[in-house]
Amino acid sequence: EIVLTQSPATLSLSPGERATLSCRASQSVSNYLAWYQHKPGQAPRLLIYDVFTRAIGIPARFSGSGSGTNFTLTISSLEPEDFAVYYCQERNNWLLSFGGGTKVEIK
Amino acid sequence: QVQLVQSGAEVKKPGDSVKLSCKASGYTFTSHHIHWVRQAPGQGLEWMGIINPDDGGSRYAPIIEGRVTMTRDTSTSTIYMELSSLRSEDTAMYYCGRTLVGLRYCITTSCQIQHWGQGTLVTVSS
Repeated sequence: EIVLTQSPATLSLSPGERATLSCRASQSVSNYLAWYQHKPGQAPRLLIYDVFTRAIGIPARFSGSGSGTNFTLTISSLEPEDFAVYYCQERNNWLLSFGGGTKVEIK
Repeated sequence: QVQLVQSGAEVKKPGDSVKLSCKASGYTFTSHHIHWVRQAPGQGLEWMGIINPDDGGSRYAPIIEGRVTMTRDTSTSTIYMELSSLRSEDTAMYYCGRTLVGLRYCITTSCQIQHWGQGTLVTVSS
């Protein structure tokens, strides 16, 4: 079973700043890594899949990178609507798991 | 457009079972996997399992295997998730979600969830 560890737990930033979120896997997940945004009272939203491919309708300020066990979600310039919790997700054979999440809050 | 409509909120007692539904529309029901994901109050997302609506095959998260069963009804395009021996820790919002890619491609991608249901709140309390 693969464990995903996200850091930091909370990121306090101002609109316009750059956000860098980390996701570390306990063993290699190849390129099977996705990122989601989750806001209270809403269903999660797929942002990035297969490490760096943006989902349909996702703004270019969101980008993913990494390989093997270390992955990064970058938001180049935070917009007010970007303050939310972000989760990474991996697939290993037919099993998936999520990281514990990073909350991006307004400073 | 793809829609997943989940059944309504449930209140159960410890030891009970609950069966949630997720009705799909807007696409060919048997073409994409469905996942179930839950979020307990104040906690993160937890993947529960995946079902192939075409052949009914399923896989479950190790932590919950033995208490969860996912089934489908192709005549009504509905997926069901039954959770037994409920505990207070099962109190959560439960989501169904459809994969972005078709059945044959899930194993070559992140098998990521593009479309989500609205969620069903399950409360377990004595």
